[in-house]
Amino acid sequence: NAGVTQTPKFRVLKTGQSMTLLCAQDMNHEYMYWYRQDPGMGLRLIHYSVGEGTTAKGEVPDGYNVSRLKKQNFLLGLESAAPSQTSVYFCASSTRGRPQETQYFGPGTRLLVL
Amino acid sequence: DAKTTQPNSMESNEEEPVHLPCNHSTISGTDYIHWYRQLPSQGPEYVIHGLTSNVNNRMASLAIAEDRKSSTLILHRATLRDAAVYYCILRGRGGSEKLVFGKGTKLTVNP
Repeated sequence: NAGVTQTPKFRVLKTGQSMTLLCAQDMNHEYMYWYRQDPGMGLRLIHYSVGEGTTAKGEVPDGYNVSRLKKQNFLLGLESAAPSQTSVYFCASSTRGRPQETQYFGPGTRLLVL
Repeated sequence: DAKTTQPNSMESNEEEPVHLPCNHSTISGTDYIHWYRQLPSQGPEYVIHGLTSNVNNRMASLAIAEDRKSSTLILHRATLRDAAVYYCILRGRGGSEKLVFGKGTKLTVNP
């Protein structure tokens, strides 16, 4: 049981390049989330999904797109990377979004945009 | 989700108890109190949560004030591995899809 895994662990992009971050979970969770964390700050929600084929915007969605084609995978795309998107990206999952539930986080992807 | 207030940092000595406070004066009756921690260069991990009663698990204890306007995370014997940023988060119905992270409390454990 690997829990939540993220690929890649680290990436350097040039401004304007695109990339996709992959999140996978093996806990059969319905809900999945993408957060970003900037230095010295707490995490902020980018997008989330309440089930296969559905996505919704979070607090800071601009510049990102997501897809949830399979229940176990949640992809985060950057179409045209900007230096402001330099951050650490965390994926999380939970059974459902009920207030008493736990979210399980991946180890993070460090992204540097030059 | 209601707001929480935590000290920016705290220090403790190894093998001593640590009490991490959290104020949440605007908590609603259906908000759960969650604690997560983030070790250096890792993703957040769940510690404990509660609604009204005090809670214990293998990692920590959660003491909730009678009026629920504050709570305290208790680490009974701090170890070096407990050095992390601890986040106190309220989760209620409606909008509970996300966790709203503040800046948390950075705990330093001295050997």
